Amino acid sequence: EAQVTQNPRYLITVTGKKLTVTCSQNMNHEYMSWYRQDPGLGLRQIYYSMNVEVTDKGDVPEGYKVSRKEKRNFPLILESPSPNQTSLYFCASSLDRRAYEQYFGPGTRLTVT
Amino acid sequence: GENVEQHPSTLSVQEGDSAVIKCTYSDSASNYFPWYKQELGKGPQLIIDIRSNVGEKKDQRIAVTLNKTAKHFSLHITETQPEDSAVYFCAASISYGGATNKLIFGTGTLLAVQP
Repeated sequence: EAQVTQNPRYLITVTGKKLTVTCSQNMNHEYMSWYRQDPGLGLRQIYYSMNVEVTDKGDVPEGYKVSRKEKRNFPLILESPSPNQTSLYFCASSLDRRAYEQYFGPGTRLTVT
Repeated sequence: GENVEQHPSTLSVQEGDSAVIKCTYSDSASNYFPWYKQELGKGPQLIIDIRSNVGEKKDQRIAVTLNKTAKHFSLHITETQPEDSAVYFCAASISYGGATNKLIFGTGTLLAVQP
């Protein structure tokens, strides 16, 4: 089944404790992206990647890191999480480098206390 | 910066009625406009999209219209059903250096279809 998977689905952590949210797609997609979703703000892009070893900042990259060492994986790293990073996170992928027809994962609910 | 405005933020209709959600965008170079449906507890799912070389596209009960001159596009759902209840997001493509590589999303519309 073609899909985007994220792990974990739910995470509660404390300020400053490094964490990684994994994202994997099995569709051989070129483009991958991370978004955060907050009430009243819609989906905002954190980082994106158009190919292996090619990543770029989105609209809200502060406090986040990403890497794209393999085509299928695009982990999101929070080196020192803060409460303002409490949010619902989505990974997405697209066959097209222009970000057309993006497939979204199921989401990761992160709470930082 | 570039932005996409979406209205209304909430919409309640009776089953069988039509629903219309409208979006405006700011980047005149935008050329791709998708609509996503997000059900409770799930990720957004693409339901229809339109490219700037067409003015309207239909898929069964769903249609999208695009007015590039006015920089706005709309989602139309006819004969609404309770399973259409969800949050709907519009988006517009953004180009940097002539290459489109990201989407800007609207803030979402919560559609409630009353049986």
